[in-house]
Amino acid sequence: QSALTQPASVSGSPGQSITISCTGTKNDIGTYNYVSWYQQQPGKAPKLIIFDVSNRPSGVSNRFSGFKSGNTASLTISGLQTGDEADYYCGSYTSGDILLYVFGTGTKVTVL
Amino acid sequence: QVQLVESGGGLVEPGGSLRLSCAASGFSFSDYYMIWIRQAPGKGLEWISYMSNSGRTIYYAESVKGRFTISRDNTKRSLYLQMNSLRDEDTAVYYCARESTGRSIDYWGQGVLVSVSS
Repeated sequence: QSALTQPASVSGSPGQSITISCTGTKNDIGTYNYVSWYQQQPGKAPKLIIFDVSNRPSGVSNRFSGFKSGNTASLTISGLQTGDEADYYCGSYTSGDILLYVFGTGTKVTVL
Repeated sequence: QVQLVESGGGLVEPGGSLRLSCAASGFSFSDYYMIWIRQAPGKGLEWISYMSNSGRTIYYAESVKGRFTISRDNTKRSLYLQMNSLRDEDTAVYYCARESTGRSIDYWGQGVLVSVSS
């Protein structure tokens, strides 16, 4: 089971919006609305910021939004802040092989 | 508040064994499916094992199947990962995590480092 594909890095200036893509297959993103996004600050555990494609857990800023079309999901960060600088991972339920869950390759977000 | 605290990591030689533990608090442990995830140094996240709340359903990633065993004790609110025949490539931070809606992972432990080296 291959990892979901994300761009290695995305950058933007404070206040701008950026979008991170996450490409899978019909066995995961293309069939199931079980896409999640995680933010990982250096040296810390990942934190859930989006679940079920577009839902935010309580306490997560509404500057984070999720979307899905076909086999590709995306995370948009609006009003970029320096504190958003982190690694971001998508994840999805998968019916491929026997693996239940697959992560993306990860994207480093840099605030210029 | 929800807390997951891993322990049992350390340095082990190739071929050796370690047992990781994860102590849960702040939620009804027996109601939740639990997961082990790892992250090799400078690398991405890898989902490696999953156990249903009853313990009856278990999955492993191919990379650890046959070598790692997940278990839980709901009376002790604890999750375990027995790791045998360890290899250099098992070197990683291991996270205990709780599965939530739509297979998302809503709480993670702080992680424990496992280093496999001679």
